[in-house]
Formats: sequence, C-alpha cells, structure tokens
Amino acid sequence: AQKVTQAQTEISVVEKEDVTLDCVYETRDTTYYLFWYKQPPSGELVFLIRRNSFDEQNEISGRYSWNFQKSTSSFNFTITASQVVDSAVYFCALSERKAAGNKLTFGGGTRVLVKP
Amino acid sequence: DSGVTQTPKHLITATGQRVTLRCSPRSGDLSVYWYQQSLDQGLQFLIHYYNGEERAKGNILERFSAQQFPDLHSELNLSSLELGDSALYFCASSEAVDYGYTFGSGTRLTVV
Repeated sequence: AQKVTQAQTEISVVEKEDVTLDCVYETRDTTYYLFWYKQPPSGELVFLIRRNSFDEQNEISGRYSWNFQKSTSSFNFTITASQVVDSAVYFCALSERKAAGNKLTFGGGTRVLVKP
Repeated sequence: DSGVTQTPKHLITATGQRVTLRCSPRSGDLSVYWYQQSLDQGLQFLIHYYNGEERAKGNILERFSAQQFPDLHSELNLSSLELGDSALYFCASSEAVDYGYTFGSGTRLTVV
C-alpha cells in the first residue's frame, strides 16, 4: 500500500527566511508520480508540481524548488525568501500508475505560517 | 478558475438528511475522483470514475454513493448524515495520471 508522511505538522518562519518541507513516501511500484499541492486559507487545492519516478532532476520554479531522491524515498520542497502569501497548508501526494485507477494518497500536510 | 466546477460551495443540513454534491470535470477529462477532507482524517480518497465506470473505491462509507453520467459530470450522494460527515468534499478530474489532477474548489458540508 502506498503511504506519504509529512513529519512536520506546522512550521513558523519570519518573512524572507527559507523553509523546507519534508515528504517521505512508500510504494511498491516502480512507476509512480509525486505531487505537491498548496491549500491557502480560502480552502482550494492549488497544484504546484508533478514528478514521475523516472525523473530525479531537481526543479526550480521562481522561489520554489523541489529535491527528489529515490534512494531515500523523499520529495522535499523548499520555499526561498518566504513571503506572507506563502502561508498555507502544503500537501505532498503520491499516485501509482495502475490500470484500475490512479488515486492520490496525501500526506497529512504541513501548515506554514510566514510572519511579517 | 481550475476548470473543475463543484456545486454547491456550502451546504448546511441536519443529521439524518440526504444531500447530493455535483462535480463537472475539466473539458476533455474522463476521470473524476472524490476526496473528503476532515480535521481528523485529512484528505481521504473516496471513489474514482472513468468514463462512467467505477474504477476504484477508497474508504467510502456505505451511506455514500456516487455516479458519473454520460456527459461526464459526477454526483456524490451522502445519506443518513451524521455530525462526523461534516467536511470539505473535493472533486478532481484528470485526463490521465501522467497529466496530473485538477481539483475543484470543494463543497463545505456542515451537518448540524
């Protein structure tokens, strides 16, 4: 069974600090997809990134960067120079590629509070 | 606007009642997924439909049921509601797992 663990339940930082969110996953499949979603106070789930299991390249998008390491089953997310608007709950999720259906399994989420 | 439409946005109902949540997927997406987000259980997968057929079930209660219609919109029916069913219910659609999932803005259900 697939499982996603986000050990940090809440992180509080001061604006302009960097913050790294940890995500560890478990799966028996060799083909899978990893995701990060942001849930701001308004409640919607905003897609941030998708990675497949064959692509271990790190990615940077503006102030966001992701570090995928299959050897440690981790897919960590860093926000550089955090801003108040980054305050939200961030979810890591895993999807296996199965013919019968590709559900997303979410981690418990990490609440990020960025103080001015 | 994500392209996935969920109605209603908010719903308040009494215990024992039945409600229907509606989801219109993004144009071209054949898969619809339902998720429940509650404070104690987090984001839980409920059910997946692909082109009208049920493909996978998660921890969906027997009091809950869903269907996907020929026009690909989906409905989640919740009956004999209990206080613990109060949650945010999300619908997501997907063309294929390779292309990710797009979530609607959710329906917040409050059972009083």
